[in-house]
Amino acid sequence: EAEVAQSPRYKITEKSQAVAFWCDPISGHATLYWYRQILGQGPELLVQFQDESVVDDSQLPKDRFSAERLKGVDSTLKIQPAELGDSAMYLCASSLESQETQYFGPGTRLLVL
Amino acid sequence: SQQGEEDPQALSIQEGENATMNCSYKTSINNLQWYRQNSGRGLVHLILIRSNEREKHSGRLRVTLDTSKKSSSLLITASRAADTASYFCATDAGSNYQLIWGAGTKLIIKP
Repeated sequence: EAEVAQSPRYKITEKSQAVAFWCDPISGHATLYWYRQILGQGPELLVQFQDESVVDDSQLPKDRFSAERLKGVDSTLKIQPAELGDSAMYLCASSLESQETQYFGPGTRLLVL
Repeated sequence: SQQGEEDPQALSIQEGENATMNCSYKTSINNLQWYRQNSGRGLVHLILIRSNEREKHSGRLRVTLDTSKKSSSLLITASRAADTASYFCATDAGSNYQLIWGAGTKLIIKP
């Protein structure tokens, strides 16, 4: 069964450093999502792509976060510089189209020291 | 802001019992979805119910939707230890039909 791949699974960094997360969605899925999930809370959407275009990044802290999906397939989420409050689980999901079932990767757990 | 609110926040039952979780939301929706998340892992889709549906089944899961009350429930029958997880409801109430998530119900099944 096809799965969403994410790497790394865990990342420990010091504040002010740069970090990058990678996501490879299920083949053929046009819509890709990056979420941030703080322990004990539901996921919060950071950015949504339709193919290579950003559909919504209204909750993305653009002064330090950036996301790209250059060829409309895999995607990278970057944080520079990382802050203590960025410690969270970063989840990637994909779907055939928006409004439909989302398939999640295992997530990247980030700890900023 | 959260659209969905799950109730209860936590639920602990004996293996074999039924577990019921509720979700309330605020605005009109096209569909509502339930997901499960095991500790420290990604989310797994359970059921999608559309606004014109009232009930849906999948194995030991039963989901109901009452659009007049803006609420949904998830029933897990004959619970197993493997059902221990957090359960989230999500509605497509975002500006581009993004999913808006609740804070989840943490379910613990005691052996």
